[in-house]
Amino acid sequence: AQSVSQHNHHVILSEAASLELGCNYSYGGTVNLFWYVQYPGQHLQLLLKYFSGDPLVKGIKGFEAEFIKSKFSFNLRKPSVQWSDTAEYFCAVKTGGGNKLTFGTGTQLKVEL
Amino acid sequence: DADVTQTPRNRITKTGKRIMLECSQTKGHDRMYWYRQDPGLGLRLIYYSFDVKDINKGEISDGYSVSRQAQAKFSLSLESAIPNQTALYFCATSLGLAGNEQFFGPGTRLTVL
Repeated sequence: AQSVSQHNHHVILSEAASLELGCNYSYGGTVNLFWYVQYPGQHLQLLLKYFSGDPLVKGIKGFEAEFIKSKFSFNLRKPSVQWSDTAEYFCAVKTGGGNKLTFGTGTQLKVEL
Repeated sequence: DADVTQTPRNRITKTGKRIMLECSQTKGHDRMYWYRQDPGLGLRLIYYSFDVKDINKGEISDGYSVSRQAQAKFSLSLESAIPNQTALYFCATSLGLAGNEQFFGPGTRLTVL
């Protein structure tokens, strides 16, 4: 069975700092990859997704992620974070023909003014 | 307008009680899912349904049951609630095409005393 690892459980940054959140998965076949964000008290929203093609994908709110197949990674980046980026971030992987997602355990990001 | 709605949003109950959580969607999606979210564990799939006549167990289905009453409705039941079922429960939907994202409801916070 596939698994998803997010090694950073809690990250604290100052505004304007750069962000990189790690995501690694274990599955040798074709994958679809997602990053979701959950703002405090809200439901999950899609930040970006990768299906095929250019491994560097751009999402909403200035976020981007790079799929590196050889490293089984899909790290999330943002050059300059804002206080409003404070949220929990989840990486998810879909394998095979179904639509089941396997989620990582999440990373709590706190951005301080 | 909320495309995926969940009722109730908050519920406190006692051990041994039967509880039903309801999910409705107006997105016209054929696939629906129930997840629970626990701190530090991310989201884990309880049950999923690819259409009205298709119900499948997820990774943590013990102690839960579901009913897909119509394409737009997917209910989750706890037959006899226990304290370790205290969690945040999310319903999600997706369209049955390869790679489509899942859309999440606002969540139901369930506390079992």
